[in-house]
Amino acid sequence: GQNIDQPTEMTATEGAIVQINCTYQTSGFNGLFWYQQHAGEAPTFLSYNVLDGLEEKGRFSSFLSRSKGYSYLLLKELQMKDSASYLCASMDSNYQLIWGAGTKLIIKP
Amino acid sequence: IAGITQAPTSQILAAGRRMTLRCTQDMRHNAMYWYRQDLGLGLRLIHYSNTAGTTGKGEVPDGYSVSRANTDDFPLTLASAVPSQTSVYFCASSDSGQPGELFFGEGSRLTVL
Repeated sequence: GQNIDQPTEMTATEGAIVQINCTYQTSGFNGLFWYQQHAGEAPTFLSYNVLDGLEEKGRFSSFLSRSKGYSYLLLKELQMKDSASYLCASMDSNYQLIWGAGTKLIIKP
Repeated sequence: IAGITQAPTSQILAAGRRMTLRCTQDMRHNAMYWYRQDLGLGLRLIHYSNTAGTTGKGEVPDGYSVSRANTDDFPLTLASAVPSQTSVYFCASSDSGQPGELFFGEGSRLTVL
């Protein structure tokens, strides 16, 4: 079956670094996506990995290991506005996204 | 303002009633999607459309129908609402060249009593 696993909740301190892990198992693979969703709002696209390695975009980076079915999102220099849920999604062989339940990130001063 | 517009933003509905959630985009994206989001679960695909005139079933299509008469509009209809359809519904679109980069509407919170 298809499955995406990520932690339900994480807590970090303002200014610190946090890594949100995601493991996936999908029928075929056409990329791994991360989205940010603030409470009560719509998800917004953050990053996309299709090849192994690290993709850096400002304070956010995303890593992919296809052989391990594993990805992580790395957030540096955490700000209070980074408090949100982070959704991991894998694109299957039909080019449909399979979504994890999301990781709620709580930032403390 | 470019993007996706959903209506209504919130609705309370009696069980058994018919309801249509509207979705309009002005980005000329070919693909459009309807998801529901429930606490503790990932976004689940209800129906999708890869281009005007075509639709397909997602993971949880039962009790829902869609149409895609043109590029811009993708309404979702609940023929006879049931309490298990209480959820937040998101419409989304994507460019055919970047299928995983979805643009979401603000969501429609539906409560079925």
